[in-house]
Amino acid sequence: GAVVSQHPSRVICKSGTSVKIECRSLDFQATTMFWYRQFPKQSLMLMATSNEGSKATYEQGVEKDKFLINHASLTLSTLTVTSAHPEDSSFYICSATSGDFYGYTFGSGTRLTVV
Amino acid sequence: ELKVEQNPLFLSMQEGKNYTIYCNYSTTSDRLYWYRQDPGKSLESLFVLLSNGAVKQEGRLMASLDTKARLSTLHITAAVHDLSATYFCAVDIMEYGNKLVFGAGTILRVKS
Repeated sequence: GAVVSQHPSRVICKSGTSVKIECRSLDFQATTMFWYRQFPKQSLMLMATSNEGSKATYEQGVEKDKFLINHASLTLSTLTVTSAHPEDSSFYICSATSGDFYGYTFGSGTRLTVV
Repeated sequence: ELKVEQNPLFLSMQEGKNYTIYCNYSTTSDRLYWYRQDPGKSLESLFVLLSNGAVKQEGRLMASLDTKARLSTLHITAAVHDLSATYFCAVDIMEYGNKLVFGAGTILRVKS
């Protein structure tokens, strides 16, 4: 079945630094990738949608200059949290789809802690 | 605006009992998904429901879809402790850019 690899699984960074999270589709070409954020005991909140080779589409209220998304190839999307602050601490999850019947495949998530 | 409502949000049940989680959505959907999430983990796909009347079963879980009522159910039969997790339904609508809209999730606790 479809597999999406997400790295790192956990990261701790200092306030003011930037962190990059990678999301790779291992056995299929992901025409579209999605980035979600999840706070404790809450649902997933879609941050942005990215299509290979084009600019990401951000959901309302998500700062695109803070959360930089790059979808450079059909198998890789990255999310960079720039100038991270403690309020950016959260669980970030990516998902990918090839647009066919198989729907969406989720990465294993990244726990970001900003200290 | 598409809305997906799940209820209950929290469910505590005894082992061996049956219960149903409901998922209502506000507009015509293309596909409906059920996911399981364990603490600290990502989502595990349980079911994809594609058409009206679709019913899928896996072990003690059975999901159904009524597109006319815009309702999906996740039925738990003879619950066991291992089913304790958070369950999400999500709806996929192409006119919204082929992206998922999630319900709030149902936290299920099965007590021995």
